Amino acid sequence: DQQVKQNSPSLSVQEGRISILNCDYTNSMFDYFLWYKKYPAEGPTFLISISSIKDKNEDGRFTVFLNKSAKHLSLHIVPSQPGDSAVYFCAASATGNQFYFGTGTSLTVIP
Amino acid sequence: GAVVSQHPSRVICKSGTSVKIECRSLDFQATTMFWYRQFPKQSLMLMATSNEGSKATYEQGVEKDKFLINHASLTLSTLTVTSAHPEDSSFYICSASGLLYEQYFGPGTRLTVT
Repeated sequence: DQQVKQNSPSLSVQEGRISILNCDYTNSMFDYFLWYKKYPAEGPTFLISISSIKDKNEDGRFTVFLNKSAKHLSLHIVPSQPGDSAVYFCAASATGNQFYFGTGTSLTVIP
Repeated sequence: GAVVSQHPSRVICKSGTSVKIECRSLDFQATTMFWYRQFPKQSLMLMATSNEGSKATYEQGVEKDKFLINHASLTLSTLTVTSAHPEDSSFYICSASGLLYEQYFGPGTRLTVT
């Protein structure tokens, strides 16, 4: 059973606009969340994290929002750049050890 | 949705012994599986790409004689850490590739070498 879901397989955004990537989870025990970015033929690289005690974390152009009641988190990229084109994975953990990943959303930023 | 399992979820072994970790795609055939290693608060590090029926492709810096990968079937890949040392203690994660870009990740295996 997929405990972390990314229901949008792909997303296209114009350069300079906002990209919003969504992630839903089912396990209410999850208390730590991460976003990864992955280019083809490379391993995922860490982008940004958020713990359940917060509802927002910002790092430069990247902001992650957490809505615990809805079991939903989102990654906002503003402004979007062509170099942001990649596959984005969200991951969640209940213990800080074992992570559950979404299946990814492929973002294309159009110049 | 597709599910990938890993076994065991946690293992503790003594230095010098070997440990095998299994990665299974439960409801789809995965021609390609990936093995990652995660250090605390760091990105996943891709160790190797495993294609069914052929030798794994290792990333630079990963010792292929130490981390033996076998992808014997379309649903099973194994990672064997040979002659484990305490510095091999880490979190090992596998993923299986679907038809397009998507990857289905296993829950990971916590290896502790004492």
